[in-house]
Amino acid sequence: AQKITQTQPGMFVQEKEAVTLDCTYDTSDQSYGLFWYKQPSSGEMIFLIYQGSYDEQNATEGRYSLNFQKARKSANLVISASQLGDSAMYFCAMSPIKAAGNKLTFGGGTRVLVKP
Amino acid sequence: NAGVTQTPKFQVLKTGQSMTLQCAQDMNHEYMSWYRQDPGMGLRLIHYSVGAGITDQGEVPNGYNVSRSTTEDFPLRLLSAAPSQTSVYFCASSFPGALNTEAFFGQGTRLTVV
Repeated sequence: AQKITQTQPGMFVQEKEAVTLDCTYDTSDQSYGLFWYKQPSSGEMIFLIYQGSYDEQNATEGRYSLNFQKARKSANLVISASQLGDSAMYFCAMSPIKAAGNKLTFGGGTRVLVKP
Repeated sequence: NAGVTQTPKFQVLKTGQSMTLQCAQDMNHEYMSWYRQDPGMGLRLIHYSVGAGITDQGEVPNGYNVSRSTTEDFPLRLLSAAPSQTSVYFCASSFPGALNTEAFFGQGTRLTVV
């Protein structure tokens, strides 16, 4: 069984500042993938970034980076230079590597509000 | 490309009615799954499929049936709707074998059971 915990229900961040969203996980799988998705108020799920458990380097995608600490079982998302359009719900998720993005387990989410 | 298409976008059902939520993808993805999202919560896996003819249960399968007769389609059937099934339903698909494998989500179906 897999479990994702996001302990920050909501956060305010000033525009142009960086923000870190916490995510811890638990799994019995040896190999797994970690994902972050963004859900704006319009409701769609937008893929942001992926980290494989076998990756030694932290993943980066533009202004998004994933701070992966395997021993601590954490996969925090860092958004640099926040923009007003970053206001949304953010979900951390994981799946077994073989599931390849299928069979996702999601955390409860963190709502981010970017202030001008 | 249309990606993952869900129909309908909105639906109101009476308790006890049955219906099918449609999901179709045009990316030739073998993997597909259904999730539900209750207010203020994350998504929970209902059923998933790893290919045509192969389905399995997720975390919250009770009250739902699925089948996968083609690679493209993965319908979700509500057998006898209950108010507890009021939720937003998402269908997703992904391609096995890629290292950086994201799931592509449909726009969601907002279902209200009265």
